[in-house]
Amino acid sequence: DVKVTQSSRYLVKRTGEKVFLECVQDMDHENMFWYRQDPGLGLRLIYFSYDVKMKEKGDIPEGYSVSREKKERFSLILESASTNQTSMYLCASSLVRDRNPWGHYYNEQFFGPGTRLTVL
Amino acid sequence: KNEVEQSPQNLTAQEGEFITINCSYSVGISALHWLQQHPGGGIVSLFMLSSGKKKHGRLIATINIQEKHSSLHITASHPRDSAVYICAVKATHYNDMRFGAGTRLTVKP
Repeated sequence: DVKVTQSSRYLVKRTGEKVFLECVQDMDHENMFWYRQDPGLGLRLIYFSYDVKMKEKGDIPEGYSVSREKKERFSLILESASTNQTSMYLCASSLVRDRNPWGHYYNEQFFGPGTRLTVL
Repeated sequence: KNEVEQSPQNLTAQEGEFITINCSYSVGISALHWLQQHPGGGIVSLFMLSSGKKKHGRLIATINIQEKHSSLHITASHPRDSAVYICAVKATHYNDMRFGAGTRLTVKP
């Protein structure tokens, strides 16, 4: 079974603090993703990475950065936490699978347990 | 307008009832997922489908590509089915998935 783990289940930080959220997967997946989940909005993609040291912005990258130094680990960084970053953060990983005619990779994602971050 | 719309947002049922959750999407897709999220946050994939129908135990998922619509059915619902059910699509022109806002299901004993 794929296992995706996140460093903390619950985290409380103060405004202005630098926050690191860590995600580790043990199945040698190429792709890793960071989402945030807010009531009524569903999951929104912050950043994703399709290879070591590679990263792509998602829908809402502002206020966040990421790091992928090793294949199994994808870190989300809040440089200066703000109250509007209080949310549930979910990490996911996937293999690269079928390539459709438009050149996009289809991928089934496996999710971590989530980190509920509160910024005071 | 969201690319993936789910209905209803909230659903309360009595144990044993047949449940249907709907998902409509507005983009071309290569696949659609139904995900389950229990209290505490963990998400698991229930189904991944690109056509027709899939069944796993008491869960059935169908998709109509022409109508851009999918349904998740739960037969003989049980309190342990209480969770948030999320529809997600792999759009053909994006490298990632797009998610519905979720349907919160509560099954009462």
